[in-house]
Amino acid sequence: EVVMTQSPATLSVSPGERATLSCRASHGVSDWVAWYQQRPGQAPRLLIYGASTGAPGVPARFSGSGSGTDFTLTISGLQSEDIAVYYCLEYNTWPPKGTFGQGTKVEL
Amino acid sequence: EVQLVESGGLVVQPGGSLRLSCAASGFTFHDYTMHWVRQIPGKSLEWVSLITLDGGSTFYAETVRGRFTISRDNSRNIVFLQMNSLTTEDSALYYCAKEKGRVIDHWGQGTLVTVSS
Repeated sequence: EVVMTQSPATLSVSPGERATLSCRASHGVSDWVAWYQQRPGQAPRLLIYGASTGAPGVPARFSGSGSGTDFTLTISGLQSEDIAVYYCLEYNTWPPKGTFGQGTKVEL
Repeated sequence: EVQLVESGGLVVQPGGSLRLSCAASGFTFHDYTMHWVRQIPGKSLEWVSLITLDGGSTFYAETVRGRFTISRDNSRNIVFLQMNSLTTEDSALYYCAKEKGRVIDHWGQGTLVTVSS
């Protein structure tokens, strides 16, 4: 089973600054990684899939990179509406085994 | 616009049963695999189950296998999750989700299941 480990657990960022979130897979997952944003009280929202492809309607300040075991989500120019918990998910394993990361909380 | 609306969440006693429903709209329902994912408030997400587009294949997390059953009615655009032998560890917000190209791309707002005596 692939384990996804996110870091840091909490990230404090000033408005307008860059936020860099990391996700590491215990085994190689090629580029089968997605990132989700979950704002307080809301359902998750797909941001990035295929490690680096933005989902429709996602602002350009969100970008993803990585392959194999190490992945990064970058928010360039943090805005107040970006305050949320961000989860990575590997979907190289199908059917899935529930391999979401534990989340990174982004706060101002 | 894709919409997924879950219902059926309740307070139930340990050992009890519950059936969740998810009404889908805004896309061609029978063309997509559907999932259930759950989340204990304040915790991470846990994939629970999926059903392929025609209902021909179903898969479950180890934690629910043998107790939960996923099904779908493509004539009514609904996916169900029958949950039996519930324990307190099944208490969570249950999300219905749509898959596209192996990735979950849309989520409902969730329905809350509380297992408590």
